[in-house]
Amino acid sequence: GAGVSQSPSNKVTEKGKDVELRCDPISGHTALYWYRQSLGQGLEFLIYFQGNSAPDKSGLPSDRFSAERTGGSVSTLTIQRTQQEDSAVYLCASSSMAAADTQYFGPGTRLTVL
Amino acid sequence: GESVGLHLPTLSVQEGDNSIINCAYSNSASDYFIWYKQESGKGPQFIIDIRSNMDKRQGQRVTVLLNKTVKHLSLQIAATQPGDSAVYFCAENVNQAGTALIFGKGTTLSVSS
Repeated sequence: GAGVSQSPSNKVTEKGKDVELRCDPISGHTALYWYRQSLGQGLEFLIYFQGNSAPDKSGLPSDRFSAERTGGSVSTLTIQRTQQEDSAVYLCASSSMAAADTQYFGPGTRLTVL
Repeated sequence: GESVGLHLPTLSVQEGDNSIINCAYSNSASDYFIWYKQESGKGPQFIIDIRSNMDKRQGQRVTVLLNKTVKHLSLQIAATQPGDSAVYFCAENVNQAGTALIFGKGTTLSVSS
């Protein structure tokens, strides 16, 4: 597709369950980012992938959060043993080598933990 | 930690007016800034960017002004339309490829007809 896509658009889960969120970046973009946006707040950086380099995980809030990027394209953000405070919109962005500063965002996945 | 903030959480304007949304940043090393528009239920949409070697940049109906002396960024929207209603975020980046953007909390722009 032309833009960043994410799935599912909405996810409702029970406390303690694991969830997986998917991101398809813009074709050809080498960098991929995950952010979290809590209700009425700005975006909080979680993790960043650039090509085959080791990811920057400095924003992950706990060891329950992890992410993978397979084949330098699709990424999956996994949250284990979800807690109610994990409820938020999870946004994925990608950027190209030519314009690495400019990040383009997907529509997000709204996660609700009951 | 250093962060980007916005002066006003909300701004209400009449259709046809010009809107000015302000942002203050604290990282003097930041040299790239972006404005995003986020409509309800959608991801942030790129509007316009500016590098620190510029003071002003214009797009279609939008202008970004950068004052490095006082570390202030503003977004001007000309002839505001109801479709401009959204939350506007400024974000900063120190010029390192791949560095995560630092976002403020956003200003909600409401445009009434």
